[in-house]
Amino acid sequence: DIQLTQSPSFLSASVGDRVTITCRASQDIRSYLAWYQEKPGKAPKLLIYAASTLQSGVPSRFSGSGSGTEFTLTISSLQPEDFATYYCQQFYGWTFGQGTKVEI
Amino acid sequence: EVQLVESGGGLIQPGGSLRLSCSGSGFSFSTYWMHWVRQAPGKGLEWVSRIDSEGIGTNYADSVRGRFTISRDNAKSTLFLQMSSLRAEDTAVYYCARDLGRISEALGYWGQGTLVTVSS
Repeated sequence: DIQLTQSPSFLSASVGDRVTITCRASQDIRSYLAWYQEKPGKAPKLLIYAASTLQSGVPSRFSGSGSGTEFTLTISSLQPEDFATYYCQQFYGWTFGQGTKVEI
Repeated sequence: EVQLVESGGGLIQPGGSLRLSCSGSGFSFSTYWMHWVRQAPGKGLEWVSRIDSEGIGTNYADSVRGRFTISRDNAKSTLFLQMSSLRAEDTAVYYCARDLGRISEALGYWGQGTLVTVSS
């Protein structure tokens, strides 16, 4: 099974900061990777798919990059509503990373 | 508007069985692969199972294989998850989700979730 490892697991940041989260796959998954944002009590929200394609309606401060085994999610200027937990998911076997909690 | 509404969650004793349902609307249900994803209290997301558009191809996480069965009724636009031999570690909010497009590359739409609690 393909494993996804996110780093860091926790991230403290301030409004306006540039934030980068990394997701590493245990084997080549080409560009079959998606990123989600999750807030307490709500269903996850798709941000990025195919590693770098921004989902419709998602602010342009979110971006994704990478292919193969290493991927990144970048928030260019953190906004108050961005404090949440972020997950990557691979689509060779659908497993999720363990999550990255972005805290103030 | 795409809508997914789960139902069937509740309190069940260890070893028991439960069937979750997910009703889809606002899209052509029979066109898309569907998934179940769960989140245990205070834990991360765990992919559970997927089924193809025709209901023929299925996959399961190792943690549920042999105990859970995914199925669908395209005529009723409904997805199911039959859960048996339930364990305490199956306690979670269960979400149904739809692939974003015809290719399985992202879960674009999610239900609100239904809570399953396995406890004596």
